[in-house]
Amino acid sequence: NAGVTQTPKFRVLKTGQSMTLLCAQDMNHEYMYWYRQDPGMGLRLIHYSVGEGTTAKGEVPDGYNVSRLKKQNFLLGLESAAPSQTSVYFCASSLRDRGRPGYEQYFGPGTRLTVT
Amino acid sequence: GEDVEQSLFLSVREGDSSVINCTYTDSSSTYLYWYKQEPGAGLQLLTYIFSNMDMKQDQRLTVLLNKKDKHLSLRIADTQTGDSAIYFCAESLGGTGTASKLTFGTGTRLQVTL
Repeated sequence: NAGVTQTPKFRVLKTGQSMTLLCAQDMNHEYMYWYRQDPGMGLRLIHYSVGEGTTAKGEVPDGYNVSRLKKQNFLLGLESAAPSQTSVYFCASSLRDRGRPGYEQYFGPGTRLTVT
Repeated sequence: GEDVEQSLFLSVREGDSSVINCTYTDSSSTYLYWYKQEPGAGLQLLTYIFSNMDMKQDQRLTVLLNKKDKHLSLRIADTQTGDSAIYFCAESLGGTGTASKLTFGTGTRLQVTL
């Protein structure tokens, strides 16, 4: 049982390049989330998904797209990377209700992305 | 709006107690959480408290909630070097489906010295 895994762990992009971050979970969780973590700002929700084939915007969705074609995978795409997207990206998953104890979010180890 | 604030850094000696503080602004929060982030890792849930409780104790951890002042604290007794990490508080409005979400604080880095 690997929990939540993220690929890749590190990446350096040039401005304007595109890339996809992959998140996978093997806990059969319905909900999945993408966050970014910036110094002094805590975690901010980018997009989330409440089930296969569905996605929704979080707090800071601009510049990102997501897809959830399979229940166990949640992809985060950057179509045209900008230096402001330099951050650490965390994926998380949870059972159905993400606000309640017992349905806590399980986090992946993170992807450190640098855009030059 | 929702805003969760924490001090950025705390240094304690091994064996002492650590107290990490958090203030939040949304009075309708139903659950408040403490997460721990070790270097190079994701966040891990430590403990939580329901908003109608004042205190919760879980082994070395004590959570205190002052709902009137919207103040949450995490006390770690007998702090060990393995407790060195970043601690995040988070609030949730509860509910079900797409209505609920977590708002995280900025994180407090706890440094434990010998």
